[in-house]
Amino acid sequence: DVKVTQSSRYLVKRTGEKVFLECVQDMDHENMFWYRQDPGLGLRLIYFSYDVKMKEKGDIPEGYSVSREKKERFSLILESASTNQTSMYLCASSFGTMNTEAFFGQGTRLTVV
Amino acid sequence: TQLLEQSPQFLSIQEGENLTVYCNSSSVFSSLQWYRQEPGEGPVLLVTVVTGGEVKKLKRLTFQFGDARKDSSLHITAAQPGDTGLYLCAGWQGGSEKLVFGKGMKLTVNP
Repeated sequence: DVKVTQSSRYLVKRTGEKVFLECVQDMDHENMFWYRQDPGLGLRLIYFSYDVKMKEKGDIPEGYSVSREKKERFSLILESASTNQTSMYLCASSFGTMNTEAFFGQGTRLTVV
Repeated sequence: TQLLEQSPQFLSIQEGENLTVYCNSSSVFSSLQWYRQEPGEGPVLLVTVVTGGEVKKLKRLTFQFGDARKDSSLHITAAQPGDTGLYLCAGWQGGSEKLVFGKGMKLTVNP
């Protein structure tokens, strides 16, 4: 089975801190994604990567950056956390695009205080 | 602006009832997907519909892709409490590697 693992289920951080969310997949997928999920807003794409060291902005990239140094790992970075970044963060991976299945991690619930 | 609009957003029904949830867009998609998410978990793929007019059945769930490939529907027959969850439609945006989602429909099936 494909496994997408997010490093933390719950995180509490202070405003202004630099926050790293880590995601690892074990199926050699080319594509990886970071979404945030908020009540009433659904899943919104922050960044995605289709290859090592390649990244593309999603729909809401402001305040975030990403890193993909190895194929299996995709990190989301909050440069200076703010309270409006309190959310559920979901990582996903897929073998290809256009009709392929995306596999999700269990999510990281981040609270910024 | 949401690329994929889902309706209704919330539904609470009794066990045994039928329901339909809709996913609409003004854009053409090469395929649409339906995912189900349970509390505390990530979404899990239920089905991918690829051909305009296609109908797929998964036990009590029936999925349809519109002829123009701009919309899809999910019909659940004789809903059960185990069907409770968040149902999300998703589509790969043409010309990119972006997978975009609708806001989802939160379904509660009461015993």
